[in-house]
Amino acid sequence: NAGVTQTPKFRILKIGQSMTLQCAQDMNHNYMYWYRQDPGMGLKLIYYSVGAGITDKGEVPNGYNVSRSTTEDFPLRLELAAPSQTSVYFCASSYPLLVAGVGSEQFFGPGTRLTVL
Amino acid sequence: KNQVEQSPQSLIILEGKNCTLQCNYTVSPFSNLRWYKQDTGRGPVSLTIMTFSENTKSNGRYTATLDADTKQSSLHITASQLSDSASYICVVSGTNNLFFGTGTRLTVIP
Repeated sequence: NAGVTQTPKFRILKIGQSMTLQCAQDMNHNYMYWYRQDPGMGLKLIYYSVGAGITDKGEVPNGYNVSRSTTEDFPLRLELAAPSQTSVYFCASSYPLLVAGVGSEQFFGPGTRLTVL
Repeated sequence: KNQVEQSPQSLIILEGKNCTLQCNYTVSPFSNLRWYKQDTGRGPVSLTIMTFSENTKSNGRYTATLDADTKQSSLHITASQLSDSASYICVVSGTNNLFFGTGTRLTVIP
């Protein structure tokens, strides 16, 4: 199993440009998540999905969009890139958070380092 | 307000020494607590999970403790190795939400 894969690994955007960060998992997880991690800061949830066709906002959704057409894929779209979106983006997946009363482990991808200039 | 606070923010220790990282939380209701290790440039990887009824759990040289009454957890690393250099993140699950700490950056030097 490849686990959670993310592409690209690095990207530099100009202000106002758009791009899609790709995320795929092969573990048949229902739940998928997008986080951003700013330097020296913790992970902040952007969007999450509990299954194909279902997405919901996290803590910091402004400036981003997501879609979930399949169980495997969960792309994150930046429409008008701004310098404030310079960050490292992590995609993660898991089984439902509560499984028989025990939290499910999140599996993270390697991250995408995005710089907006 | 649901919060997870970790201390110290950063720590430097000599190879072979032990260390303890702290995690205090105010998440309610509480479901479980996980410790993740995040190597530089990589995504976090789960080290251990603590549920309400567990006090101590070990994973090799890593030992996690949980005091659900005081809402505190610790991660003890024994006989540190250079490969232990990483950020350690405490994540607390509520009913169906996750709350992340900002992590402790550990550096192990020869």
